[in-house]
Amino acid sequence: EVQLVESGGGLVQPGGSLRLSCAASGFTFSSYWMHWVRQAPGKGLVWVSRINSDGRSTIYADSVKGRFTISRDNAKNTLYLQMNSLRAEDTAVYYCAGGGGGSYFYYWGQGTLVTVSS
Amino acid sequence: QSALTQPRSVSGSPGQSVTISCTGTSSDVGAYNYVSWYQQHPGKAPKLMIYDVSKRPSGVPDRFSGSKSGNTASLTISGLQAEDEADYYCCSYAGSYVVFGGGTKLTVL
Repeated sequence: EVQLVESGGGLVQPGGSLRLSCAASGFTFSSYWMHWVRQAPGKGLVWVSRINSDGRSTIYADSVKGRFTISRDNAKNTLYLQMNSLRAEDTAVYYCAGGGGGSYFYYWGQGTLVTVSS
Repeated sequence: QSALTQPRSVSGSPGQSVTISCTGTSSDVGAYNYVSWYQQHPGKAPKLMIYDVSKRPSGVPDRFSGSKSGNTASLTISGLQAEDEADYYCCSYAGSYVVFGGGTKLTVL
């Protein structure tokens, strides 16, 4: 059974940092591009970032470029999102997703809530 | 990186068909046959329903179908069932990055 389990969310003050993790199992993690997608409370899905299978290629939405860093450890089957200089508008449930290359998301985690507030 | 345009809401009675549109530009929907659709029930993670415009993943009922014409993609749900009531999001590849639509709430009357 495929599982993506996010962790690391929580309450952080504006300007602070947080590191999200996504533990993958049940599929060949190292073969797939992976993504982070977020959803602000009551709002729609927004793509955040993508990393290719070997971790050498990354891309970000303009809204997080320069503040967020996506990475992966294929030996640990884990995807990461380092979030710095957090803003109130970064408040959202963050999902890791993948399994569809660069264009769609076959597998989804259950999400982890990040709240940026003083 | 502008969001794709979807109607905010659609509705239909059980057994009927509904179509949800998704309008982008010549840089995303119109440029690639990489449109996907996701169903999301409240408090749950999204679920892939259609990928590559019209392909259905294993386990998705054939009541769900996708198509595309120019810069507009569509998701059609035939034989509406109560459990189809959910939010639906389209998504398109846009050359390296990905863009979602704003979402459509489907109400089964």
